Amino acid sequence: SYDLTQPPSESVSPGQTARITCSGDALPKQYAYWYQQKSGQAPVLVIYKDTERPSGIPERFSGSTSGTTVALTISGVQAEDEADYYCQSADSSGSYVVFGGGTKLTVL
Amino acid sequence: QVQLQESGPGLVKPSETLSLTCTVSGGSISDYYWSWIRQPPGKGLEWIGYVYYTGRTRYNPSLKSRVTISVDTSKNQFSLNLTSVTAADTAFYYCARATLGSAWTFAFWGQGPLVTVSS
Repeated sequence: SYDLTQPPSESVSPGQTARITCSGDALPKQYAYWYQQKSGQAPVLVIYKDTERPSGIPERFSGSTSGTTVALTISGVQAEDEADYYCQSADSSGSYVVFGGGTKLTVL
Repeated sequence: QVQLQESGPGLVKPSETLSLTCTVSGGSISDYYWSWIRQPPGKGLEWIGYVYYTGRTRYNPSLKSRVTISVDTSKNQFSLNLTSVTAADTAFYYCARATLGSAWTFAFWGQGPLVTVSS
């Protein structure tokens, strides 16, 4: 099976920049997506196709890619950004969806 | 704005079949891919599979032998059947819709009710 690897946790002070990474062998071939999930709520799409931001998502959220690693960057972190963040992609043949294990972002 | 609402039993006995339905409102089920995604309490997300409005399906290989996803365009609904459940299938079960032209850009989600497998 194919896995996406994320750090379990990251912490950042308000106003600073948070960067959450996601690694997987197929990421050079498949798009990555990022979801924010706050406690007790359904996930919300914050980045799609590596770097695109859906309407309504603040500009401080951005995505980047470099080889087998993609990253979600949150600039000027706010307290409301405290949440779990999941990356998502597909296996190398594009046959099925895979989620990373999630990163808990704590705003200090 | 499209809305998705899951319905079905919140408690299922071991070895039985888990059945859920997702009702779509505020938009047509046509032209889109519709997925089921689950999340065990305190754990990460797992994609179960999708159905296209034409009825074409694709499943997670790890669950493929136990999963059936179907669509009823006349009712604007799609459904999940998961057979031979065990306690490991206890999870929040979300239905989700992808964006137009994509199979897995999950832009719209249901609330995700908890389904518990227990005798």
